Amino acid sequence: GIQVEQSPPDLILQEGANSTLRCNFSDSVNNLQWFHQNPWGQLINLFYIPSGTKQNGRLSATTVATERYSLLYISSSQTTDSGVYFCAVANNAGNMLTFGGGTRLMVKP
Amino acid sequence: EAGVAQSPRYKIIEKRQSVAFWCNPISGHATLYWYQQILGQGPKLLIQFQNNGVVDDSQLPKDRFSAERLKGVDSTLKIQPAKLEDSAVYLCASSLYGSRSRNTEAFFGQGTRLTVV
Repeated sequence: GIQVEQSPPDLILQEGANSTLRCNFSDSVNNLQWFHQNPWGQLINLFYIPSGTKQNGRLSATTVATERYSLLYISSSQTTDSGVYFCAVANNAGNMLTFGGGTRLMVKP
Repeated sequence: EAGVAQSPRYKIIEKRQSVAFWCNPISGHATLYWYQQILGQGPKLLIQFQNNGVVDDSQLPKDRFSAERLKGVDSTLKIQPAKLEDSAVYLCASSLYGSRSRNTEAFFGQGTRLTVV
């Protein structure tokens, strides 16, 4: 099956800093999603982005499908951004949404 | 628009007991997924339904886990008998489509946290 790797595994930021999270995948995809898992375990949809670039407030994402990676940018981080960020993909040969191991982000005040 | 509903939110059982989880997907969503998330890991797909048919259950431990989606709407996931290693959060998700030719955004419920003691 498709392999999904996220980096870095852990990230500590000072409030107000910017960061870039990376997701590499091993096959062509027709679905790529970024999620934020809050401290209560809820997976919050951030972006549905199998290709291209999207922005939503302080967050933006870019997927370069031909090079098999996606980036999530967080600008002016806030303590409420803390949690785990997951990338999940589905390849063209199958249906299952496969998750990476996540990036654990802690934003300090 | 109502999201994916799951119940119960928490469950504590003894090993060798049985347990069932329920999921109601977003109205009109044909695809329903059950995931298992062990603490510190990413969610792992257990089973995927398209309407009331199984699309993928290759990672479902079929000796103890079972799932059904009657009438192509609600779904139940059952574990019998439970083992200590089944302690995890069980997440249900749904999407409008989920196929090789067409894939759409998946939305997750709040999950059921299972503790097996």
